[in-house]
Amino acid sequence: GAVVSQHPSWVICKSGTSVKIECRSLDFQATTMFWYRQFPKQSLMLMATSNEGSKATYEQGVEKDKFLINHASLTLSTLTVTSAHPEDSSFYICSPSDGSRRLSNQPQHFGDGTRLSIL
Amino acid sequence: DAKTTQPNSMESNEEEPVHLPCNHSTISGTDYIHWYRQLPSQGPEYVIHGLTSNVNNRMASLAIAEDRKSSTLILHRATLRDAAVYYCILDRDDKIIFGKGTRLHILP
Repeated sequence: GAVVSQHPSWVICKSGTSVKIECRSLDFQATTMFWYRQFPKQSLMLMATSNEGSKATYEQGVEKDKFLINHASLTLSTLTVTSAHPEDSSFYICSPSDGSRRLSNQPQHFGDGTRLSIL
Repeated sequence: DAKTTQPNSMESNEEEPVHLPCNHSTISGTDYIHWYRQLPSQGPEYVIHGLTSNVNNRMASLAIAEDRKSSTLILHRATLRDAAVYYCILDRDDKIIFGKGTRLHILP
C-alpha cells in the first residue's frame, strides 16, 4: 500500500495566487522531507531538504522566500508556492525519509506528485 | 559526485526482454545501486536495488558487473505498462539525486 500521500494531485490557479501542497508520511515518521520539482521532459531536481522542527535547506538557485516549507510534524510537511507565476508551473514531488533508510537497506519512497499550472 | 550514465532512450517490443544499461565508474564500496522508474504523470517508483550480487524481485532483475562499474536492469517480459523513464542511481546518502534516466518505449 501507499506510504506517501501527496495532495492535491493537480491545481490550476491564477498568477499571484499562493498554493499549498501537502505531503503525508503514512507508514513511518518522516524526520526528513525532500522536495523535488520536475519540468516537462526533464528529470527531477531536488529543491530543498527539511528536517522536522527546523528550517529547510534549499538547493542553489531555489528561492526560499518563494517556496516556503513547513515540517512541523513527523507525518506532515507542506510546500507553499507563494505568489505563483507561470514560470512556477511544474510537477512537484515529495519524498519522506526517517533517516534510517540506508542503514536498513530500504528504498526511498515518493509521493505521486502535484501538477501545478499557473495561468 | 555519484554520477551514472544511461542511454537517453530505448525501444523494445512488447512481451520481449529488455536490458537497460547503466555505467557508474565512480562508484564507491558502500554505494548501493538503485533503480527507480517514473510512469507518465506519477512520482518515481522503486524497482530494485543491490550492492554486489545480482538481485531478483517480482518486477525485474538487476545484474551487477563484477567490478561494480556498471549494471543492467532486466525486465523479463516487457508490457505496455512498463513504458516509463528508468533511473539508475548510486545511493550514497539519504537524498536521492536523479540523472536523466532512460526513456523506455514499448512497441505493441
